Amino acid sequence: GEDVEQSLFLSVREGDSSVINCTYTDSSSTYLYWYKQEPGAGLQLLTYIFSNMDMKQDQRLTVLLNKKDKHLSLRIADTQTGDSAIYFCGEYNFNKFYFGSGTKLNVKP
Amino acid sequence: EAGVTQSPTHLIKTRGQQATLRCSPISGHTSVYWYQQALGLGLQFLLWYDEGEERNRGNFPPRFSGRQFPNYSSELNVNALELEDSALYLCASSFDFRAGAQETQYFGPGTRLLVL
Repeated sequence: GEDVEQSLFLSVREGDSSVINCTYTDSSSTYLYWYKQEPGAGLQLLTYIFSNMDMKQDQRLTVLLNKKDKHLSLRIADTQTGDSAIYFCGEYNFNKFYFGSGTKLNVKP
Repeated sequence: EAGVTQSPTHLIKTRGQQATLRCSPISGHTSVYWYQQALGLGLQFLLWYDEGEERNRGNFPPRFSGRQFPNYSSELNVNALELEDSALYLCASSFDFRAGAQETQYFGPGTRLLVL
């Protein structure tokens, strides 16, 4: 459960959709999360998904979980400049939390 | 409702000194977690306290230690500071996952530690 991987950067234009991807190694993870970190701030929980779910939608956010491939994604519809931040993928497994290194999303006007 | 609070916001120490960081969880949360976020790196899990006991720790040397008080607040102590300990230290709190609570962690704003 220690290897949670994310791409480091993603750049999109305002109004487009953003898709941030994450892979994890431990199939026994029970919860998977997406957090947002804005400059100089702590982490803000965006959404989470239980491992027995395939998809979760919350307004502009859609989380997809492919357990077979151990792949988690976060789709942000109609991306705004205020969405520019670092997005962390995380998992909970056996009393420990593991996070990826974060994907820096840059939204161009 | 107040969120997770941490103090101090910034801390400057010299190599070899000790640092003490503090965290107050959200009211009702019994678990407190500590993470290190070094510049340009992701979050590294440090410690997990629940009901006053250490439940788990990450791959950090013993000079990183802490405790949780009866009011569920927590301290992180870093002894014999090294330059590479410079980082943002984040505290998070939650209900006890093992009790089946379907909740997650809420993070504080962090303490930025600089070791000179």
